[in-house]
Amino acid sequence: SQQGEEDPQALSIQEGENATMNCSYKTSINNLQWYRQNSGRGLVHLILIRSNEREKHSGRLRVTLDTSKKSSSLLITASRAADTASYFCATDGGDRGSTLGRLYFGRGTQLTVWP
Amino acid sequence: EAQVTQNPRYLITVTGKKLTVTCSQNMNHEYMSWYRQDPGLGLRQIYYSMNVEVTDKGDVPEGYKVSRKEKRNFPLILESPSPNQTSLYFCASSYTGDVSNQPQHFGDGTRLSIL
Repeated sequence: SQQGEEDPQALSIQEGENATMNCSYKTSINNLQWYRQNSGRGLVHLILIRSNEREKHSGRLRVTLDTSKKSSSLLITASRAADTASYFCATDGGDRGSTLGRLYFGRGTQLTVWP
Repeated sequence: EAQVTQNPRYLITVTGKKLTVTCSQNMNHEYMSWYRQDPGLGLRQIYYSMNVEVTDKGDVPEGYKVSRKEKRNFPLILESPSPNQTSLYFCASSYTGDVSNQPQHFGDGTRLSIL
């Protein structure tokens, strides 16, 4: 079963606006990752945040992690049309037995940025 | 160029006709994995391999086989494909099987249609 669930399922904004996507997960985790998928392509890794971190930045991306609420958010500032893609969070199984090799993806948020 | 290569990219075939989807990586990664992506269900892990000759089931292994005879290759075999295996398939790899601590590198996907 999936560990992470993104919200909203779809998001449509204008260029220049900020886009916020959320990810909730069920069990404790070691780390959480965000990926982007352009239409017809494979997933591309964006950022990894560790369970002892609360916030991380990479360029126009800002990721937060709240382990008490079992949730993470991905903020893309000053969105561009090229940011149009699906965004996925991925988590490990945390403390639920052996988790090596297992990565759990959510259903994704489809972001559309209009010029 | 560091990459994960899947072949074929597209395949339409009929029920029961054995097929193999190849996956090759040129990054000397120990870990490789297969996912399927279906609308509304996100990515689900089929099989993964921690290293040569070591493979394990993911969440949806039924109807699939894998082998890992060489480090760079991890083929996905459908011995008797059925229509419910129509999906978009992704191969991924990383340096080690500690997948929560490192980015996954994905291929561009194989779209399979089983009639």
